[in-house]
Amino acid sequence: NAGVTQTPKFRILKIGQSMTLQCAQDMNHNYMYWYRQDPGMGLKLIYYSVGAGITDKGEVPNGYNVSRSTTEDFPLRLELAAPSQTSVYFCASSYPLGGADTQYFGPGTRLTVL
Amino acid sequence: DAKTTQPPSMDCAEGRAANLPCNHSTISGNEYVYWYRQIHSQGPQYIIHGLKNNETNEMASLIITEDRKSSTLILPHATLRDTAVYYCIVRVGRNTGNQFYFGTGTSLTVIP
Repeated sequence: NAGVTQTPKFRILKIGQSMTLQCAQDMNHNYMYWYRQDPGMGLKLIYYSVGAGITDKGEVPNGYNVSRSTTEDFPLRLELAAPSQTSVYFCASSYPLGGADTQYFGPGTRLTVL
Repeated sequence: DAKTTQPPSMDCAEGRAANLPCNHSTISGNEYVYWYRQIHSQGPQYIIHGLKNNETNEMASLIITEDRKSSTLILPHATLRDTAVYYCIVRVGRNTGNQFYFGTGTSLTVIP
């Protein structure tokens, strides 16, 4: 299994540009998540999904959109990039079982907005 | 909301046990405690989780106090490759999906 994969690894955007961060998992997990991590800080949840067709906001959703058309994929869309969105973005997936929920993370996408 | 408190940094001599504490005094009765680590801004790596009993796996041991208000992650024989930021995590809220509160973690430095 490849686990959780993310593309691209790095990206530089100009203010106002748009882009989609891709995330895919091959573990048949029904839960998927997007986090951002600013320098020296912990991860903050942007959006999450509990299954195909179902998404919900996390702690910091402003400026982002998501969709979940398949179990495997959970893309994150930035419509009008702003410098405040410069961060490292991590995708994760999990399959809650028995009350526990172990999340598996991708390698991250480092985004810079200039 | 359940959140965690960890010391910002710790040092440990190579080959010695590293004991990383975490306070989670507001944890709900049926919520798990999870530990992850992050090396050089890579994706966080799962280490271990527990509810009430102490847990051990190939990476570490987790000791949870009887009142569940705190826990300690133990790396029994720390190596240089264990240098990382360690996060103690609990779920935030019961009706908000499975949101984890990461905090800023403990930066562990293993010294040769």
